[in-house]
Amino acid sequence: DQQVKQNSPSLSVQEGRISILNCDYTNSMFDYFLWYKKYPAEGPTFLISISSIKDKNEDGRFTVFLNKSAKHLSLHIVPSQPGDSAVYFCAALRSNDYKLSFGAGTTVTVRA
Amino acid sequence: KAGVTQTPRYLIKTRGQQVTLSCSPISGHRSVSWYQQTPGQGLQFLFEYFSETQRNKGNFPGRFSGRQFSNSRSEMNVSTLELGDSALYLCASSLQGQFAGNTIYFGEGSWLTVV
Repeated sequence: DQQVKQNSPSLSVQEGRISILNCDYTNSMFDYFLWYKKYPAEGPTFLISISSIKDKNEDGRFTVFLNKSAKHLSLHIVPSQPGDSAVYFCAALRSNDYKLSFGAGTTVTVRA
Repeated sequence: KAGVTQTPRYLIKTRGQQVTLSCSPISGHRSVSWYQQTPGQGLQFLFEYFSETQRNKGNFPGRFSGRQFSNSRSEMNVSTLELGDSALYLCASSLQGQFAGNTIYFGEGSWLTVV
């Protein structure tokens, strides 16, 4: 049962424009959400996270928005750069749990 | 500081065989989690160990097992390999297992191909 869903397997965006990645979840017990970036042949690296008590968290070019009522979060990358081309995973967890539930990932390609 | 080290990086096994993968967490980290990544499936949680105890387990068959040693190094074992076990197996290390986003560190993974 996929509790975290990324319905867009791929996204192509022009350099300098905004990339918007979406993620939906079904488990209302999730209270912490994370985004990871993964290059081929490397492990995922942490990008940004948000607690369920917030609706927005910003870190440089990356902003994550959380809509708890809709069980939806999104990652905005502004401006997009060629080095942002990678697979992005959305993940969620419950406090005091010890496992991350991941989405299937969205492959982002930034065009020059 | 040294990152999470996984060995071997690449391996090929035959159906029916068994395989053992190793993970050395970051020094001082006591929590080790294992994930399986297959195309289109994202990362699926296998299990998590803390201080040599398994604290949580994902929905994988009993052929998948793991353990953690007193030095926090962890191994996972897959017995009676099936073609569908071909995947990237990722290990994640954290201090306590109480995730705060940037306290989880992943290794580069072990690519397993079953033929």
